[in-house]
This record gives sequence, C-alpha cells and structure tokens, in this order.
Amino acid sequence: DTEVTQTPKHLVMGMTNKKSLKCEQHMGHRAMYWYKQKAKKPPELMFVYSYEKLSINESVPSRFSPECPNSSLLNLHLHALQPEDSALYLCASSQAGTGNEKLFFGSGTQLSVL
Amino acid sequence: GENVEQHPSTLSVQEGDSAVIKCTYSDSASNYFPWYKQELGKRPQLIIDIRSNVGEKKDQRIAVTLNKTAKHFSLHITETQPEDSAVYFCADEDTGRRALTFGSGTRLQVQP
Repeated sequence: DTEVTQTPKHLVMGMTNKKSLKCEQHMGHRAMYWYKQKAKKPPELMFVYSYEKLSINESVPSRFSPECPNSSLLNLHLHALQPEDSALYLCASSQAGTGNEKLFFGSGTQLSVL
Repeated sequence: GENVEQHPSTLSVQEGDSAVIKCTYSDSASNYFPWYKQELGKRPQLIIDIRSNVGEKKDQRIAVTLNKTAKHFSLHITETQPEDSAVYFCADEDTGRRALTFGSGTRLQVQP
C-alpha cells in the first residue's frame, strides 16, 4: 500500500462547528504533515509530526489542532473556523522526517467554511 | 525564512517542444531540491529530485539541473505531451527544520 488516504474528501462547515479531518498511511512512514493549499497557490506547511511527536508548528492559529494517535494516523481538529480558512487540506507522509525525503501526498480534503 | 522564487507562472508550448521552469532559492545551506507535479484536482506527486552534490539528474524526458553557486535549479521537459499539462512546483528543504518550502508554481499547458 503506497497511498495516503484522507477523509472526508469534501467538508462544508459553519463557523461554530467542530469537525475533524483524518489521514492514514500504511507505508511504515514515521513523519506526517499537514499542508494548506489555496486555489492556484503552493502548499503551505502547517504541522509536522515526527515519530508521533509534534516537531513543527508553523504558527498556525489554535482553531486548528493536530493530533497523531499513532504512527499511521494523523488528525486535524477544526473549531470556530473563519471563511478564509476555506482551502484544500493536504496530508503527507515521508519515511523518517530526517530530510531529503520524498513526500507522499493524500488527495486532500476540500474544506468550505460558511 | 527560506524563499523560493519560481518562473514563469504560466508556460504554453506546442506538443513536442521543450519546456523549462526555473527556481531560485535563498538559503545557501539548502541541499535537497524536489519537483512536484499537480494535475487539476489531484494530489502533488514527486517527479524528480536532486541533491546538492549532483549538478544534473535525468529521468527519461525529465531533467533537473542545479547551480549551487548561483542558487538556482531548473526543470527541463523534452518532447512535451498533452499529459504533461499540470502545475509544477519546485521546492527546497530548510536544512534546519527539514521541511520543504514550495515555489509559487508554474502552470504548463501543452497544446496538441
């Protein structure tokens, strides 16, 4: 299995809702990432987990809360989002998070905040 | 923080022609330079990468060149085909954080 699986594919939520994005990989990778991608823009790094520990937080607002329950799973908990948070949220994984590694991206969750 | 500039933002070529996309980076310690292709509505996928101890790497119709002195690297696609149409992102790795910074992207359109 060489895929990173993300659910849901699409999500519409109100500004008062709480929702979660899920990401799963079974390649034995020990680094997992959340990226945000606005239309016609490059992916922007949000968080990195390495060996289930948060290693990078790119000063992301606290309304985004990541969680890595185990080495195969990565969640992004969403609460009180703003319309400008609407974007494609991409999960990725790499072998060890030690650098010079290929990133395997999921297909993303297209999020719309109303 | 690290900055990667990518040009051009759009590129239209005729099928069979070559396409070249260029990127410039700022961190002289950067040592890993991947290129990702993102087709419309799909995930980014790595197509080729190069490390700083190598000046050029080729994989069939795709090649990447790196000039460390000038801090720029380029993607070359020869004999372009309509299925090469996509957005291409260069990236470099912040050696301190071991995280990629992406360029702004190039939309390549190959006209049949």
